[in-house]
Amino acid sequence: GDSVTQMEGPVTLSEEAFLTINCTYTATGYPSLFWYVQYPGEGLQLLLKATKADDKGSNKGFEATYRKETTSFHLEKGSVQVSDSAVYFCALTSQGAQKLVFGQGTRLTINP
Amino acid sequence: DGGITQSPKYLFRKEGQNVTLSCEQNLNHDAMYWYRQDPGQGLRLIYYSQIVNDFQKGDIAEGYSVSREKKESFPLTVTSAQKNPTAFYLCASSTGQSHTEAFFGQGTRLTVV
Repeated sequence: GDSVTQMEGPVTLSEEAFLTINCTYTATGYPSLFWYVQYPGEGLQLLLKATKADDKGSNKGFEATYRKETTSFHLEKGSVQVSDSAVYFCALTSQGAQKLVFGQGTRLTINP
Repeated sequence: DGGITQSPKYLFRKEGQNVTLSCEQNLNHDAMYWYRQDPGQGLRLIYYSQIVNDFQKGDIAEGYSVSREKKESFPLTVTSAQKNPTAFYLCASSTGQSHTEAFFGQGTRLTVV
């Protein structure tokens, strides 16, 4: 079945550091890929998405590129801020499916 | 404002009691979902519905029940058969079309004592 694997956390960085959170997937056909962010005690918010190979999703300084050859969708940000501290989830929907499959989440903490 | 509303935000129940979590959306979405989140873990799908009066089991449906009598509403009942019900429950909705994202409510934290 479809699955998403994220790098294990937690991840702790200093402010203005470069961030990478790895995400790889297994799916049939051509899935759509998503990154969601969850702040403490809240629901999930869509951060960015990509619907076909080589698409780059971007939002709030975060970027991720849909790499079909490596089945990856790594999240990157050039300079993180304390306010980026949250849990980040990689997810996919398979072609023709209507439900999201999530990775286990990566907790990110940014220290000033 | 359009969105998804879950209520209540915090819920306490005694062991052995059934409890119903509310989820309402005004986004005119066809599909709705319930996920469970445990500390340090990802989201696991409990039930989902793609259309009114129809729903399907997700990966961990045992001990839960749902109904979809209206497009806007998808309540989740946690029954006494659920062995470990204490968790954070998230409701979501989407258009149901391929390649579209889901929108999430703020969640309900259920504690069973």
